[in-house]
Amino acid sequence: DAGVIQSPRHEVTEMGQEVTLRCKPISGHNSLFWYRQTMMRGLELLIYFNNNVPIDDSGMPEDRFSAKMPNASFSTLKIQPSEPRDSAVYFCASSPSTGDGNTIYFGEGSWLTVV
Amino acid sequence: GQNIDQPTEMTATEGAIVQINCTYQTSGFNGLFWYQQHAGEAPTFLSYNVLDGLEEKGRFSSFLSRSKGYSYLLLKELQMKDSASYLCAYNSNYQLIWGAGTKLIIKP
Repeated sequence: DAGVIQSPRHEVTEMGQEVTLRCKPISGHNSLFWYRQTMMRGLELLIYFNNNVPIDDSGMPEDRFSAKMPNASFSTLKIQPSEPRDSAVYFCASSPSTGDGNTIYFGEGSWLTVV
Repeated sequence: GQNIDQPTEMTATEGAIVQINCTYQTSGFNGLFWYQQHAGEAPTFLSYNVLDGLEEKGRFSSFLSRSKGYSYLLLKELQMKDSASYLCAYNSNYQLIWGAGTKLIIKP
């Protein structure tokens, strides 16, 4: 079975540019998570969707960040305008349901560098 | 509040045993996960404990004490490929609360 698929794997962009990260969750999983990981702050949950509906976006840093999930098989995380402090690895992850104990499966990550 | 702690870094010798501890404080707890993350890669699932006690999976075992807010990951017969970060996370409602990770360095 295909795992969580993310694109792009690597992106280098200039400050002020728009960045769009894409994610295809594992088929049949109805929970989707966007995480950001940095050396300083570790793994941070940005937003969580359940059945395509955003449930908790309290981790989204500011208005420059937005996320959508138009259908069960696709989600995007957009940063506009990007800033150097946004440089990080962005992981998308999915889980079978919101039930306790459901393992979260991570994509390979999108490595973003904003210069 | 929510708090989870684990050591930043540990060093061990190939073939030896190492125990990575994780402590947490939370009012809502529904189980504890351990994930392994190699440098430049995504975290991958290792274990899940919801009841007190030891769960063994080959060379890796995970222990949980809910009353003490404590878990550990035990790695036996260490191999060089075990060099990675190990993240603990507890399950609170719909999300996982993550520790900062323990970087494990294996020396020959």
